[in-house]
Amino acid sequence: EDQVTQSPEALRLQEGESSSLNCSYTVSGLRGLFWYRQDPGKGPEFLFTLYSAGEEKEKERLKATLTKKESFLHITAPKPEDSATYLCAVRIGGGADGLTFGKGTHLIIQP
Amino acid sequence: EAGVTQSPTHLIKTRGQQATLRCSPISGHTSVYWYQQALGLGLQFLLWYDEGEERNRGNFPPRFSGRQFPNYSSELNVNALELEDSALYLCASSLGGASYEQYFGPGTRLTVT
Repeated sequence: EDQVTQSPEALRLQEGESSSLNCSYTVSGLRGLFWYRQDPGKGPEFLFTLYSAGEEKEKERLKATLTKKESFLHITAPKPEDSATYLCAVRIGGGADGLTFGKGTHLIIQP
Repeated sequence: EAGVTQSPTHLIKTRGQQATLRCSPISGHTSVYWYQQALGLGLQFLLWYDEGEERNRGNFPPRFSGRQFPNYSSELNVNALELEDSALYLCASSLGGASYEQYFGPGTRLTVT
């Protein structure tokens, strides 16, 4: 069965303290890995799409990377406004399904 | 550019009733996806509509159904509501087919009492 596992479940950092969130997947025929940010009570906000191992994408303090088994979301010098739940999702081969999501990492950045 | 919109924001129903949720995609997007986000379970894929047709559905019973209209807006119907149907229902849209990013709306919070 296709699975997406995110770790850690929760992470508390001090402002400016860099770290990484992990998303490991066991799917066949990956056709894209997606990162989203979700604030409480709101819909997920699209961040990045990665398609092949070795690919990297950056946006402000965030950088996403992809290997054959996992993806990392690196957060550099985070600010309190980066506090949110970060979701990872995959689209499998054939593209006939919706996205399969992990349960997310709840990130808290303390001032 | 307007994003994905959903209505109503909140919906309270009694067990056994029917609920109807609505979604308007981003202009130019032809695919609409529905997801359920129940507490502690993460987002679960419900349904995918593209060009007015149901293309695929997730592991949910038939009482979850919907449709897509000619203007690409969509409706999700949940019949014979059960307490465990209480969740945030999210709609997403994409440019179409299966290779594009999905953009989410704010969701409809359904509470079944």
